[in-house]
Amino acid sequence: EAQVTQNPRYLITVTGKKLTVTCSQNMNHEYMSWYRQDPGLGLRQIYYSMNVEVTDKGDVPEGYKVSRKEKRNFPLILESPSPNQTSLYFCASRTGGTGNTIYFGEGSWLTVV
Amino acid sequence: LAKTTQPISMDSYEGQEVNITCSHNNIATNDYITWYQQFPSQGPRFIIQGYKTKVTNEVASLFIPADRKSSTLSLPRVSLSDTAVYYCLVGVYSSASKIIFGSGTRLSIRP
Repeated sequence: EAQVTQNPRYLITVTGKKLTVTCSQNMNHEYMSWYRQDPGLGLRQIYYSMNVEVTDKGDVPEGYKVSRKEKRNFPLILESPSPNQTSLYFCASRTGGTGNTIYFGEGSWLTVV
Repeated sequence: LAKTTQPISMDSYEGQEVNITCSHNNIATNDYITWYQQFPSQGPRFIIQGYKTKVTNEVASLFIPADRKSSTLSLPRVSLSDTAVYYCLVGVYSSASKIIFGSGTRLSIRP
């Protein structure tokens, strides 16, 4: 079954404590990305990756890091989380080319206190 | 990606047909039109995609006029479970493109 898997699904952490949200896809997709979703602001792209070792900033990259060392994995790293990073996070993947579709993970609820 | 404009919200009743229109005046020749559905606390899910005229699948129909400057997602005989946010995306998804979701249309279905 085609899947994008995120972990953890729910996390409460404290300000400044580094955390990593993992994302893995089993569809051999080239493109992966991270979004955050906040009430009234819709889905905003944080970072995206076109392939292994190729990443670029989305619309709201501040406070986040990513890496793409393997094609299937695209972890999101919060080096020093702050309360304004409390949000619902989605990882997504797709193939390259035209007319393709995006597959999303189930989301990760992150609360920074 | 072309900028899209959708209604912020819509209401309807069970059993009705719902049509959600998306405007995309700056659509490019190679752009596709794709609609996604998102339930609360879940990731968006692909519904339908088209390039021109009409596309139909088991979930919805997509109507695209000849000038392609707008598109209409049609949901036949909606039920309570169709209550969700619907996003219209327009683009080619080229290798360097970001994927930008607008605010979507919040559809509420009543009994």
